[in-house]
Amino acid sequence: DVKVTQSSRYLVKRTGEKVFLECVQDMDHENMFWYRQDPGLGLRLIYFSYDVKMKEKGDIPEGYSVSREKKERFSLILESASTNQTSMYLCASSLFGLAVTYEQYFGPGTRLTVT
Amino acid sequence: AQKVTQAQTEISVVEKEDVTLDCVYETRDTTYYLFWYKQPPSGELVFLIRRNSFDEQNEISGRYSWNFQKSTSSFNFTITASQVVDSAVYFCALTYPNTGNQFYFGTGTSLTVIP
Repeated sequence: DVKVTQSSRYLVKRTGEKVFLECVQDMDHENMFWYRQDPGLGLRLIYFSYDVKMKEKGDIPEGYSVSREKKERFSLILESASTNQTSMYLCASSLFGLAVTYEQYFGPGTRLTVT
Repeated sequence: AQKVTQAQTEISVVEKEDVTLDCVYETRDTTYYLFWYKQPPSGELVFLIRRNSFDEQNEISGRYSWNFQKSTSSFNFTITASQVVDSAVYFCALTYPNTGNQFYFGTGTSLTVIP
């Protein structure tokens, strides 16, 4: 079974703190993704990566950065946390396909509260 | 522009009833993929089905069935004889090959099955 793990299920941080969310997958997937999920808005893509050290902006990258130094690990960084970044953060991974799209496998999520 | 609409925000049914979750999408592309995911209260999205735009055959998996109709741009999901364990938020998603596998999610339908 594909396993995607996230470093924390719940996190509480203060405004202005630098926050690191870690994601690890064990299926040798090329693609990794970070989403945030908010009520009524569904899942919105923050960043994704299709290879080590590669990253692409998603729909809402402002206020976030990412790091992918190893294939299995994809980190989301909130440089200076703000209250409007309180949300559920979901990590996902998938195989890379040129002419086909594969399903994404998701981690359990990190519920981040910024006070 | 691509868009996925799940007009039903919340649905409640009594156990053993059948229920259909609607998904309507917009795209100008001829090659695309559609997905359904289930998010139970635990939070982790679970992959249910992937369908490409060239395969309009309906699919049945146990109590689950999917009706893909390109003529109406719909990919509806039916649960037959619903059970309490079906209570979850269900997401429909659209994606394209060669776009980094970026998914476009609907806002989700929250299904409650009442015992």
